Amino acid sequence: EDQVTQSPEALRLQEGESSSLNCSYTVSGLRGLFWYRQDPGKGPEFLFTLYSAGEEKEKERLKATLTKKESFLHITAPKPEDSATYLCAVQAASGGYQKVTFGIGTKLQVIP
Amino acid sequence: NAGVTQTPKFQVLKTGQSMTLQCAQDMNHEYMSWYRQDPGMGLRLIHYSVGAGITDQGEVPNGYNVSRSTTEDFPLRLLSAAPSQTSVYFCASRAEVHQPQHFGDGTRLSIL
Repeated sequence: EDQVTQSPEALRLQEGESSSLNCSYTVSGLRGLFWYRQDPGKGPEFLFTLYSAGEEKEKERLKATLTKKESFLHITAPKPEDSATYLCAVQAASGGYQKVTFGIGTKLQVIP
Repeated sequence: NAGVTQTPKFQVLKTGQSMTLQCAQDMNHEYMSWYRQDPGMGLRLIHYSVGAGITDQGEVPNGYNVSRSTTEDFPLRLLSAAPSQTSVYFCASRAEVHQPQHFGDGTRLSIL
C-alpha cells in the first residue's frame, strides 16, 4: 500500500527564518511526486511535480527536491504570505488511473 | 477562466437526507475525481472518472454515487446522509493521467 508521511505536522517560523518540510513516501513504482499549497477554506493549489531522484524545482522562495525515499520543500527567507498548509502526494505508476496518495500536510505559520 | 467550480460551498443535512454536490470544469479535462478531507487524514479518493460515461470507485466509495454524462460535469450524490459523511469534499480534474490535479474550493458538509 502506498504511504506518504509528512513532518513536522506544524511549523512556526519567524519571517526570514529558512527551514525545510519533509515528505517520506513508499510507493510501488513512482510516477510523480506533487507538492500543493492549501490556504484555509480553499482547495489545494499545485506547486511542483518531481519525477525522478535528484530532480529539483524552484519557485520564488520555494525549492523542492527528491530522493528515492523522500522529498523536501525548502523555504528560504519566508514571508507571512507563505503561511499555509503544504501537501505532498505521490502517484503510482501501476493501473490505468494511477492513483494519487496524499499526506496529511504540514501547517506552516510565518510570524512577522 | 473559472477552472473547477463546486456548489454549494456549505450545506447542512439531517441524517437520512440525500443531496447532490455539483462539480464543473471548463478546461476540457478528461480525468475528474472526488475526494474527502478530514482532520488528521490526507485527502481520500471517493470516486473518479477517466472520461464521459466512465466512472470507478476509489478507496472510500460507500454511501456515494457518481455519474459522468458530459466532460464538464461530475456530480457526487449522497444517497442517505450519515454523520460519518461530515467532511469537506473536493472535486479535482486533470488533463492527462500524469499531470497535476486542479482542485475546486470545496463543499463543507455537516450531517446532523
